[in-house]
This record gives sequence, structure tokens and C-alpha cells, in this order.
Amino acid sequence: EVQLVESGGGVVQPGGSLRLSCSASGFTFDDYAMHWVRQGPGKGLDWVSLISGDGGDTYYADSVKGRFTISRDNSKNSLYVQMNSLTTEDTALYYCVKDREFLDDGFDIWGQGTMVTVSS
Amino acid sequence: SYVLAQSPSVSVAPGKTASITCGGHNIGIRSVHWYQQKPGQAPVLVIYRDSDRPSGIPERFSGSNSGNTATLTITRVEAGDEADYYCQVWDNNSDHVVFGGGTKVTVL
Repeated sequence: EVQLVESGGGVVQPGGSLRLSCSASGFTFDDYAMHWVRQGPGKGLDWVSLISGDGGDTYYADSVKGRFTISRDNSKNSLYVQMNSLTTEDTALYYCVKDREFLDDGFDIWGQGTMVTVSS
Repeated sequence: SYVLAQSPSVSVAPGKTASITCGGHNIGIRSVHWYQQKPGQAPVLVIYRDSDRPSGIPERFSGSNSGNTATLTITRVEAGDEADYYCQVWDNNSDHVVFGGGTKVTVL
């Protein structure tokens, strides 16, 4: 079964850091670009970041550029995002997401999400 | 940056047809993907590349894209179709994924 399982969410103070992880199974992980997408409480979907299958190319939403770093370890079938200088605006459910076949082909697999709450 | 505009809400009676629009400048030259999200659940891809359906998605779901508007159409609407629907594109000018603001479909 194709599956994505996120972990690492929690409560952090403004200015703090957090590292999210996503464990993938059921598909050849390094064949696919992977994304982080977030959703604030009661809000819509908000793309965060993208990493290519080999990890060589990364892209970020303007709102997180310079603060978040996406990475992957293909030997461990894992995706990560290091989040620094967190603000209350970063409070959201963070989803790990897989491209259907290639970039701009839709996202066919979503994890259940891990919740990040930034609060003092 | 590229912007996708969706109406906040659409109401439809069971058995009728719901049309959900996604507006964007020259969106017709882009590939549009659509997601369904029910409360407390992760989004599900229902249409990719404007009009293709993933396996397991009913034929009642269809998509089109032309000019400045992409449309997700749900025929013979059922109570189980009540959800939020999001359109999405890849903006190759900014190398960003862009989502519409979402449309809440209410089945009367």
C-alpha cells in the first residue's frame, strides 16, 4: 500500500524551530518529487516547498523562503522540512505529498498531516 | 505571482449538477488539477491534467479548461459529494505550486 506518514509536529514558541519528517512506503521513493503543503485552521491549502526526486532541486513559497529547508534521504525513504524562525502564521497542519507521476501532474498521495502550533 | 480565484461556496440539490469554477489569467494553457477535501480528512485528487480521472473516482466527476476558466463538474450530485474543492496549477514563471482558495459544496 502506498503510504505517507508525517511526524514531528508539536507546540513551539515564536522564533523557535521544528523539524518535520515524512516516511514513505509502497512506491519507489526516489522516482518522485515530493512536496510539503500546509493548511491553517479553517483555511485553504497552502503550498510550502518542493524537492526533486534526487534532491538536487528545491523550491519554496515566498512566505517560508530563507526560514524553511526541505531535504530528503532516499536511502531511508524519508522527506524532511527544517522550520526555523517560526511565527504564528506558520500554525497549520503540514501534509507530505507525492507527485502523481511527474511535476505538474497533480498530487496523488497525501499523508494525514502533522500539526504545528506556534504559540507563546 | 499567479492567482487562482474560486467562488467560496456552491449549493446544489441531490441529483443535480454542480459546477465549480477556477479563474486565472490564461489558465487554459496550464494543466489544472482538482482536489476534494472532506472535514477532518486529507485532500483527494479527483481530476488531473484538466480532465483525467484517477482510478476509483466516479465518472460523475469531470473537468474542462479553456481561456481564463477551468471547471470541475459533478453530475448527479450525492450527499457524499459535500466537501471543499480546490483547484491547483504549477506556475512555471515562479516555480511555485498555486492553489485556489477553495469552494465549499453544500448538498441541500
